[in-house]
Amino acid sequence: EVQLVESGGGLVQPGGSLRLSCVASGFSFSSSWMTWVRQAPGKGLEWVANTQQGGGERYYVESVKGRFTISRDNAKNSLYLQMNSLRAEDTAVYYCARDPPRGDGYTFDFWGQGTLVTVSS
Amino acid sequence: DIQMTQSPSSVSASVGDRVTITCRASQGIGSWLAWYQQKPGKAPNLLIYDASTLESGVPSRFSGSGSGTDFTLTISGLQPEDFATYYCQQTNNFPLTFGGGTKVEIK
Repeated sequence: EVQLVESGGGLVQPGGSLRLSCVASGFSFSSSWMTWVRQAPGKGLEWVANTQQGGGERYYVESVKGRFTISRDNAKNSLYLQMNSLRAEDTAVYYCARDPPRGDGYTFDFWGQGTLVTVSS
Repeated sequence: DIQMTQSPSSVSASVGDRVTITCRASQGIGSWLAWYQQKPGKAPNLLIYDASTLESGVPSRFSGSGSGTDFTLTISGLQPEDFATYYCQQTNNFPLTFGGGTKVEIK
């Protein structure tokens, strides 16, 4: 059974930092692109960042470039999102998701349960 | 960036109805489109990819069509478990972008 379990969310002050983690099981993590998607309270979905199997290619939405870093440790089946210089508008539930290796573009077939990040003073 | 525009933003329907949701891309994206369903408090669930390919395990009452800039998700014979919010996503150009969502509500 595929599982993605996020952790690391919480309340942080503007300008602060958080590191989100996502532990994967039930599939070949090292063979999959992985992604972070977020959803602000009551709002729609926003793609944040993704990384290729080896971690060498990484892409970000413009609003987080220079502040967030996506990384992975294939030996630990883990995906991370280091978030620095956090802003109120970063408040959201953050989901990690898998991109299935089937050449259909960047889609997301398995998702974690999400972890809530709240940026507030 | 490619903007994805969904319409309507909400629709009221009854069990058994046929529901159609439209997604328009700001530029041509071929068939690089996916559809997701999301229920309150839950993660999204992939329904369709490549504009018209049904994800494994998704009921056949869901179907997708379109290419280029105009796409459609159709639910034929709405079931109680289908009341949810639906999102389209273009899958091939960074930044990856989602539509604003369409909430399917009980009439």
